[in-house]
Amino acid sequence: DVVLTQTPSTLSATIGQSVSISCRSSQSLLDSAGNTYLYWYLQRPGQSPQLLIYLVSNLGSGVPNRFSGSGSGTDFTLKISGVEAEDLGVYYCMQATHAPFTFGSGTKLEIK
Amino acid sequence: QVQLKESGPGLVQPSQTLSLTCTVSGFSLTSNSVHWVRQPPGKGLEWVGAIWSGGSTDYNSALKSRLSISRDTSKSQVFLKMNSLQTEDTAIYFCTRSGLRWGQGVMVTVSS
Repeated sequence: DVVLTQTPSTLSATIGQSVSISCRSSQSLLDSAGNTYLYWYLQRPGQSPQLLIYLVSNLGSGVPNRFSGSGSGTDFTLKISGVEAEDLGVYYCMQATHAPFTFGSGTKLEIK
Repeated sequence: QVQLKESGPGLVQPSQTLSLTCTVSGFSLTSNSVHWVRQPPGKGLEWVGAIWSGGSTDYNSALKSRLSISRDTSKSQVFLKMNSLQTEDTAIYFCTRSGLRWGQGVMVTVSS
């Protein structure tokens, strides 16, 4: 199974600060058709996960453009350009290129 | 409007079988995949399995021997059955449409 390693496990940021989360895969997430099925989710306390980014860099519906995704192959990054209070929660990457699908262990974003 | 709602027993005895239902609206099961994801209390997300638009399934490697996912397209329902339940199966179980839209989840506790 594909292992996704997320770093850091905890992130503390002030309002307005820009932060990045890394997601590294144990094998390439590029499929034979040229697609890379790497997703990012935010789970706020007590809520279901919410899709932020799909296919590495595409913004989910209604997601603010301060969120952006980048990367290729085995290395991926989620960036928040100007953290807001509502961004607190746990961020997960997920790969859907290789079955069984797998999640990263999560990054908890705290607001200072 | 796309909606998913999980239902099932809140408490299951060890060694028994868990049966959950995901009732969907706003989309067709024959055109979309539905996935199950679970989250033990205070822990991260774990992909459980999926049923694809054509009716085929994929399962978490560690759960495969105990797990079955099926559907009734006429009722817009997807079913999860997991046997030989143990305390470590205690979790919130979510269903999600292709990872894009999620239900609220249902808490399942395995205890005697």
